[in-house]
Amino acid sequence: AQSVSQHNHHVILSEAASLELGCNYSYGGTVNLFWYVQYPGQHLQLLLKYFSGDPLVKGIKGFEAEFIKSKFSFNLRKPSVQWSDTAEYFCAGTSGYSTLTFGKGTMLLVSP
Amino acid sequence: DAGVIQSPRHEVTEMGQEVTLRCKPISGHNSLFWYRQTMMRGLELLIYFNNNVPIDDSGMPEDRFSAKMPNASFSTLKIQPSEPRDSAVYFCASRGQGPEGYTFGSGTRLTVV
Repeated sequence: AQSVSQHNHHVILSEAASLELGCNYSYGGTVNLFWYVQYPGQHLQLLLKYFSGDPLVKGIKGFEAEFIKSKFSFNLRKPSVQWSDTAEYFCAGTSGYSTLTFGKGTMLLVSP
Repeated sequence: DAGVIQSPRHEVTEMGQEVTLRCKPISGHNSLFWYRQTMMRGLELLIYFNNNVPIDDSGMPEDRFSAKMPNASFSTLKIQPSEPRDSAVYFCASRGQGPEGYTFGSGTRLTVV
């Protein structure tokens, strides 16, 4: 079955620390991967997406993610987090035109 | 584009009452999705429509839940009768042609007391 798993439920960092949130997927064939962010009390917003081509994808607000096919991974990174990055982050995937499957989410708390 | 529009933003109702949540997808998007988000279960897909036709409603928890999409610009999710365990944030999302990501609405925070 298609699934997306996120390694950490909660991450706590200090401002300026580097961030890496893990995401693994299990899909056969073509896969499209996404990272969404949900700020407190708000809806999900798309951070970045991977369809094909360059496996290093750059998104908004300084985030990037790398698609590593051999590891079935699509980890989210940011070199230096800010307090305003406090949010919940969701990895999601779809194969072809199937529905989007979300991971359980990772709550990131950045302390000033 | 105004994005995906949901109403109401907040709803507080008593157990046993009927609740109707509304969604207007992005114009031109042909797929619409209803999700429920809770602390315990995360994001759950309840039902989705393609070209106004329900494709998969296997996520709808019980017969108390029903969803309709009478036209391309409007969908409703109804809970009748509502129960306290239905308290959650309900998100609507839409998608256009191709394997694009979804655009989410701002959600409806439902509290059943």
